Amino acid sequence: KAGVTQTPRYLIKTRGQQVTLSCSPISGHRSVSWYQQTPGQGLQFLFEYFSETQRNKGNFPGRFSGRQFSNSRSEMNVSTLELGDSALYLCASSFRSGTGQNEQFFGPGTRLTVL
Amino acid sequence: AQSVTQLDSQVPVFEEAPVELRCNYSSSVSVYLFWYVQYPNQGLQLLLKYLSGSTLVKGINGFEAEFNKSQTSFHLRKPSVHISDTAEYFCAVSDRSSASKIIFGSGTRLSIRP
Repeated sequence: KAGVTQTPRYLIKTRGQQVTLSCSPISGHRSVSWYQQTPGQGLQFLFEYFSETQRNKGNFPGRFSGRQFSNSRSEMNVSTLELGDSALYLCASSFRSGTGQNEQFFGPGTRLTVL
Repeated sequence: AQSVTQLDSQVPVFEEAPVELRCNYSSSVSVYLFWYVQYPNQGLQLLLKYLSGSTLVKGINGFEAEFNKSQTSFHLRKPSVHISDTAEYFCAVSDRSSASKIIFGSGTRLSIRP
């Protein structure tokens, strides 16, 4: 069974631009969560989508948005990029939403560098 | 709101020695507890999790952790480490009512010396 895939793996953008990251969950998984990992702030929850609906949201500005398609693939968008948005963005998928019995499987991440 | 404190940012250990990575959490509600490992340039892999029941949880790669409710701790242990255990380890917690939202600690970098 293929794991969680994220594209692209590396991305370089300049301040003010916008970026879209993609996540394909494990086949059959309907929940996708996004996390931001930085040296200063560590791993922080961005949001979770389940059946095309946002179920949970972290404490990030509105420049960070996401969506999920009917095939469970998810995209994350960051508009008006700032230097502080440079991070590893991790996507995790799970079969269901909202239970600890429901293991999240993480992808390798997309490393975004903002210049 | 939940929070997780990993008391050691780095832990150096000799190969075949035992190791304990410390984790304390804070929460006003019942939680699930996790330990994840991250190898260089990779995503996170679940080592083990505590949901309920026995307070001693066994995970992959010979790791185990003990849930201590009175001390709000969930320390990770391994009796004998290997060079391949070199990685960053994250303790994490989630609210049982919103279990997809995981709150992570700041991580502990485990370095194994031959």
